Amino acid sequence: EPEVTQTPSHQVTQMGQEVILRCVPISNHLYFYWYRQILGQKVEFLVSFYNNEISEKSEIFDDQFSVERPDGSNFTLKIRSTKLEDSAMYFCASSDQLNNEQFFGPGTRLTVL
Amino acid sequence: RKEVEQDPGPFNVPEGATVAFNCTYSNSASQSFFWYRQDCRKEPKLLMSVYSSGNEDGRFTAQLNRASQYISLLIRDSKLSDSATYLCVVILSGGSYIPTFGRGTSLIVHP
Repeated sequence: EPEVTQTPSHQVTQMGQEVILRCVPISNHLYFYWYRQILGQKVEFLVSFYNNEISEKSEIFDDQFSVERPDGSNFTLKIRSTKLEDSAMYFCASSDQLNNEQFFGPGTRLTVL
Repeated sequence: RKEVEQDPGPFNVPEGATVAFNCTYSNSASQSFFWYRQDCRKEPKLLMSVYSSGNEDGRFTAQLNRASQYISLLIRDSKLSDSATYLCVVILSGGSYIPTFGRGTSLIVHP
């Protein structure tokens, strides 16, 4: 069964450093998403991506964040200058159509020290 | 008013019990609805979509009530493995397709 994969599973970084989180969506999916979940809180939408551009983004997704699909399989989330409050689990998801079910990757746990 | 609300629980039930959760949403333009389950420190996994006509998958039944703006999830014959947090997800229509998650309802099934 096809699945979304994410690397690394855990990333520890110093405040102010840049991090890149990687995702490989399901191969025939066209819509890609990033979410974050701070420990003990709800899953929060960050951004959706379709046809090589951002289609929606939330207030959380400020100038420190960017997304890219550098090739035919990877989908990345970059945080330019991490803050302590960026510590969270980051989930990538994909869907075949807008409004359809989304399938989530196992997440990357980001710890900012 | 919160966009998507769920009773956090926990719902503590014995094996074999029937349990139901509700999820209310505030925006009447909401178009798509889903139930996910999330185990501790794991990713959300799709449980089922919620259609206007309802949806049943084995022991799980989901219903949508547009008039009262809520969706429900019924679990029959609870198993120990059903213990998890159940997340309600609502997607608006009409130009903004941002999925909104509820905080989840915790279910604990005990022997």
